[in-house]
Amino acid sequence: RKEVEQDPGPFNVPEGATVAFNCTYSNSASQSFFWYRQDCRKEPKLLMSVYSSGNEDGRFTAQLNRASQYISLLIRDSKLSDSATYLCVVNAPGSARQLTFGSGTQLTVLP
Amino acid sequence: DTGVSQDPRHKITKRGQNVTFRCDPISEHNRLYWYRQTLGQGPEFLTYFQNEAQLEKSRLLSDRFSAERPKGSFSTLEIQRTEQGDSAMYLCASSPEGNQPQHFGDGTRLSIL
Repeated sequence: RKEVEQDPGPFNVPEGATVAFNCTYSNSASQSFFWYRQDCRKEPKLLMSVYSSGNEDGRFTAQLNRASQYISLLIRDSKLSDSATYLCVVNAPGSARQLTFGSGTQLTVLP
Repeated sequence: DTGVSQDPRHKITKRGQNVTFRCDPISEHNRLYWYRQTLGQGPEFLTYFQNEAQLEKSRLLSDRFSAERPKGSFSTLEIQRTEQGDSAMYLCASSPEGNQPQHFGDGTRLSIL
């Protein structure tokens, strides 16, 4: 089983739609959670951190369910510029400080 | 631009050659990471430095790979005797202390002929 699993998509949605991405992680001791966005042939960029109580940043809402080891990202009123790959990222505890990335979910917002 | 910078952006070389990449982190970040990313996959961790100390290495980092951060600022990643399977994007990231997000550079895209 992969440490971080995501539905690869692709998700093709019309402009203005609401779309949700899910992610599960295997290490129950994981402490930090993030969503990164990666445009084609570009570097990953931090979209938002994910907090236990859930958090919102404009049109983006992130949720964390520690009991189910599940993270979600909701995008409302999607824009053409939201087209990208969304990476679910977990920072496991211990001596290492590396991030463990999912394979990403590809989103295309259509006009 | 005060973000993470990587050099070169692209490297094309023949199999068997040695290559070296450079990463300059955000200046106040004492943590530096190297990742490798292949098409359709998320980045995979290679190694991590805190200041000049290399504290963690992935099993992906074979003995042909070596990374240094001699003065705790910039870092280099060298691949010796390159193989076809080394073709990938090599990403560098940095972060400050604590559970802070990592910020990535543009990456070096390596193509082995």
